[in-house]
Amino acid sequence: QVQLVQSGAEVKKPGASVKVSCKASAYTLTSYYMHWVRQAPGQGLEWMGIVNPSTGSTSYAQKFQGRVTMTRDTSTSTVSLELSSLRSEDTAVYYCARSEGGFWGFDLWGQGTLVTVSS
Amino acid sequence: DIQMTQSPSSLSASVGDRVTLTCRASQSISRYLNWYQQKPGKAPKPLIYGASTLQSGVPSRFSGSGSGTDFTLTITSLQPEDFATYYCQQSYSTPYTFGQGTRLEIK
Repeated sequence: QVQLVQSGAEVKKPGASVKVSCKASAYTLTSYYMHWVRQAPGQGLEWMGIVNPSTGSTSYAQKFQGRVTMTRDTSTSTVSLELSSLRSEDTAVYYCARSEGGFWGFDLWGQGTLVTVSS
Repeated sequence: DIQMTQSPSSLSASVGDRVTLTCRASQSISRYLNWYQQKPGKAPKPLIYGASTLQSGVPSRFSGSGSGTDFTLTITSLQPEDFATYYCQQSYSTPYTFGQGTRLEIK
């Protein structure tokens, strides 16, 4: 079954870092781009950035530049999001989502990972 | 960044109704416009890409139209499972921004 399976919920203190993983199943990771999108409680969707699993190249939203790193491991068909210097406003559900390219939208989403930042 | 504005923010309708949701981009995005449906506690579900092409498995009561800056999502004959929040998104240029969402509620 084609799916994206994300790692479990995390609770972090302010200033810490978090790493969320997203494992692709039943398709070739390198055939699609992977995006990260987050959603704060009761809020809308916010695009964070994109990683090309084939090359490892990335592009991040300006808002997250310097705090975010997106990586891939083709041997395990996994992409990861690391966010550092966490603050309470980073409390959100983080989703990975794949796309074939800009025109085709995000056709497959992970189930989401709740990251809670609290002292 | 390209700003996406959806209207209305919320909408009440009845089962069987036809509804139209609107999305406007702050600059031309050709047809690089996508629609998603989200229910509480769930990941967004892809509905439409390229402004008007239904994603696989999406019922034909959903349709999209538009190009440039103005787009619509129409749902004919609303079903109980259609009550949800709908987001548009531009994938013309990064950052791939989303609209703020339209919450479709049962009247």
